[in-house]
Amino acid sequence: GAGVSQSPSNKVTEKGKDVELRCDPISGHTALYWYRQSLGQGLEFLIYFQGNSAPDKSGLPSDRFSAERTGGSVSTLTIQRTQQEDSAVYLCASSQQVRYEQYFGPGTRLTVT
Amino acid sequence: AQTVTQSQPEMSVQEAETVTLSCTYDTSESDYYLFWYKQPPSRQMILVIRQEAYKQQNATENRFSVNFQKAAKSFSLKISDSQLGDAAMYFCAYRSPNNQAGTALIFGKGTTLSVSS
Repeated sequence: GAGVSQSPSNKVTEKGKDVELRCDPISGHTALYWYRQSLGQGLEFLIYFQGNSAPDKSGLPSDRFSAERTGGSVSTLTIQRTQQEDSAVYLCASSQQVRYEQYFGPGTRLTVT
Repeated sequence: AQTVTQSQPEMSVQEAETVTLSCTYDTSESDYYLFWYKQPPSRQMILVIRQEAYKQQNATENRFSVNFQKAAKSFSLKISDSQLGDAAMYFCAYRSPNNQAGTALIFGKGTTLSVSS
């Protein structure tokens, strides 16, 4: 079946602009995660959604970052007033409720100029 | 808090040879899950192998196997009969137990593996 998809693949934006990154999880997967991969910090957890429960936002680096998941499926990660340090690859992953493997999308490379 | 350490930033191996990538972790939990992910230049993270801490038997997936030493908190990946397609960055990851699949992965910094012909 189809894997996790993310769009856009690459995004270049000017400092101060807002950006939206999209993730389509594998059909039937109830858990959805966002991670950030940057040169200096490696892979960091950002936020997690499980079904209709309140999301775990403990990894969000600042209040400029937010995410939502509509209808228990598609998720959007929004970064407001982007800064150069936000430049990174943003990875989305999903998993089934009773299994443990997370399946990743190809990521969105964000460049803030 | 749990941490994962990969002490080898880069490794190299020749085709058909065997290479071992190291990973150690720190945790106070007795039950958890460990994973190796592969990330080729395409950026797609691919699950290579997983190990449940309560299982004593080392996991194996074709040419990939692990050496899981729970007491030493060590989880190394062995790649046998290396192929050019194995060239990638490899990440070791830790996950706490949660029967709702609800906890995030904690990753090491990664090891870049190059394969030469």
